[in-house]
Amino acid sequence: GAGVSQSPSNKVTEKGKDVELRCDPISGHTALYWYRQSLGQGLEFLIYFQGNSAPDKSGLPSDRFSAERTGGSVSTLTIQRTQQEDSAVYLCASSLAPGQHDEQYFGPGTRLTVT
Amino acid sequence: AQSVTQLGSHVSVSEGALVLLRCNYSSSVPPYLFWYVQYPNQGLQLLLKYTTGATLVKGINGFEAEFKKSETSFHLTKPSAHMSDAAEYFCAAKFSGGYNKLIFGAGTRLAVHP
Repeated sequence: GAGVSQSPSNKVTEKGKDVELRCDPISGHTALYWYRQSLGQGLEFLIYFQGNSAPDKSGLPSDRFSAERTGGSVSTLTIQRTQQEDSAVYLCASSLAPGQHDEQYFGPGTRLTVT
Repeated sequence: AQSVTQLGSHVSVSEGALVLLRCNYSSSVPPYLFWYVQYPNQGLQLLLKYTTGATLVKGINGFEAEFKKSETSFHLTKPSAHMSDAAEYFCAAKFSGGYNKLIFGAGTRLAVHP
C-alpha cells in the first residue's frame, strides 16, 4: 500500500518568505507527527496530531511555525518569515494509533533551503 | 533530563565483520526503545523495537538489539556486515510522560568496506 507522502521533495526559498509543506499520511492512521532533521540539532520532534484532540505543539521552535490537519488526514506545516536556521529536512510520520507500542511510518521528507 | 546518546557518529567495518552501534538512554524510568535506519534521501525505517518482555529483540535485515536496564543501554548488532547495510542509524526512545513523541539520538553513520 501507499506510504506516507510529502510534497514538495525540495523547496528553496528566500529569507523572509512563507512556506507550506504538505504531508499525506497512510490511510487509516489516526496519529500524525512532524519532525525536523538538521545538521546542528539532529532529529527533533515538532508537533503531534491525534484525531480531533488538540495537537501537542510542544516541539515547535517559535511562533513562526504552525501546523494544521484537515479532516483528520492531510497536514500542512507552515513556516512564516523563514530564516536561514530553518533550513533542514522536515519529516512527517503517521501511526495507526498512538501509544507506547505504535510504529511510526516516516515519509521521505521535504528538504527546505532558505537563502 | 531524558535523553538518548549514541556513541560514535561514524563507524566503519569490513564486509563480513561484526556491526556494533551503541545507544544509551538517560531516565529514571526505562523508556520504550527503537532503532531506525535511514538510507540516502529516504525516510526512516524501523529496524526493531523494545517495549516489554524479552530483552533481546530481533529485527529486520539480520539486526538485533539487547535492552540492558543495569547499563541503560540498547546496543544494535549484526553478526556479519553487508555492503547494503551502509546507512545512518538512529536510536530513539519514548519516555514516560511523552509517549506521543520519539526522542532521537544524534545518529551513527555506518560505512562498510569490501
